[in-house]
Amino acid sequence: AQTVTQSQPEMSVQEAETVTLSCTYDTSESDYYLFWYKQPPSRQMILVIRQEAYKQQNATENRFSVNFQKAAKSFSLKISDSQLGDAAMYFCALTSGTYKYIFGTGTRLKVLA
Amino acid sequence: DVKVTQSSRYLVKRTGEKVFLECVQDMDHENMFWYRQDPGLGLRLIYFSYDVKMKEKGDIPEGYSVSREKKERFSLILESASTNQTSMYLCASSSPGTGLREKLFFGSGTQLSVL
Repeated sequence: AQTVTQSQPEMSVQEAETVTLSCTYDTSESDYYLFWYKQPPSRQMILVIRQEAYKQQNATENRFSVNFQKAAKSFSLKISDSQLGDAAMYFCALTSGTYKYIFGTGTRLKVLA
Repeated sequence: DVKVTQSSRYLVKRTGEKVFLECVQDMDHENMFWYRQDPGLGLRLIYFSYDVKMKEKGDIPEGYSVSREKKERFSLILESASTNQTSMYLCASSSPGTGLREKLFFGSGTQLSVL
């Protein structure tokens, strides 16, 4: 069975600072994809960043980057220069070529002015 | 931009009522999904559809059914609503054209309360 674990229910960060959200996963598949989705108060989930398991290079999207440790099955999200608009629920997700996406339980990020 | 529209943002129903949650996407996506979101449990897949009139059970299909008569519309049906179905329901769509790892596009969710 595939699992995704987010052990931090809530995190806080000062505006302009850097924060890292943790995610660990388990899968027996060799080919899989990992995602971070953001759910703001508007409730509409949007994709933040995606990582292909076969790629060694960590994905980056502007202020967002991941630390993908394949052997440790770890996929953390780093947000640099945090902004008030980054406040949201963040979900880590895994898919391995089926229709199924496995989501973690989410981390609520608060950004303090 | 892809738009996934869920017909209701908030819904209050009585126990035993038949409930329809509607979802429409405007990007000709083949795949559509219904998830349930509960605090501390993340998102759980109820049903998905990969083509018109095709459907597959997800992890928690009990008490739900779905309908996909047209490609753009995917409906979730609660045959006889119960209080334990009070939850946030999220619809999503994706296109398998670039592989099933393509990102999901989500609607804004329907917060359903069953009294």
